Amino acid sequence: DAGVIQSPRHEVTEMGQEVTLRCKPISGHNSLFWYRQTMMRGLELLIYFNNNVPIDDSGMPEDRFSAKMPNASFSTLKIQPSEPRDSAVYFCASSFSQKSDEQFFGPGTRLTVL
Amino acid sequence: DAKTTQPPSMDCAEGRAANLPCNHSTISGNEYVYWYRQIHSQGPQYIIHGLKNNETNEMASLIITEDRKSSTLILPHATLRDTAVYYCIVRVKAGGSYIPTFGRGTSLIVHP
Repeated sequence: DAGVIQSPRHEVTEMGQEVTLRCKPISGHNSLFWYRQTMMRGLELLIYFNNNVPIDDSGMPEDRFSAKMPNASFSTLKIQPSEPRDSAVYFCASSFSQKSDEQFFGPGTRLTVL
Repeated sequence: DAKTTQPPSMDCAEGRAANLPCNHSTISGNEYVYWYRQIHSQGPQYIIHGLKNNETNEMASLIITEDRKSSTLILPHATLRDTAVYYCIVRVKAGGSYIPTFGRGTSLIVHP
């Protein structure tokens, strides 16, 4: 198994631009999580899905952030418009919630908003 | 939700055991203790978890005190590749699923 796949690995954009981060979870996993990591705030949970349905999005910073999971093998996290304070590493993780709560993390997307 | 307290940093000599402590004095009876680690520039990696019994796997051992208010992760023979941030997490229930909440963790440096 290739593990959790995220793209792009690095993204540099200008303030005001739309940014879309992508994630492919491990096949067979039915829970998917989006995290953000910064030096100031550490690792924060933004949103998680169970069976493609958003369960808890209380960690999403504001309306500029949105996440979708159209099917079991793909999810996106979109920021529109982006701001410099959104600069962070964004991680996607998946798990097979019925068997274990062990989360498998992707390599992350390093986002820089200028 | 139970919170955890870990020392911000520790160091250990290569080949020696690394013992990483974690306090979780408000843990409830049905909450598990999980450990993850994050090597620089990578995503966190699951290590081990337990409820009240000591646990061991190929990566580490987890010792949980009888009152469950603290635990220790043991890396029996630390290597340079074990240099990472180690997170002790108490499982938080949200919306019917159990979601780990990551704190600041302990930065472990293994030196030659």
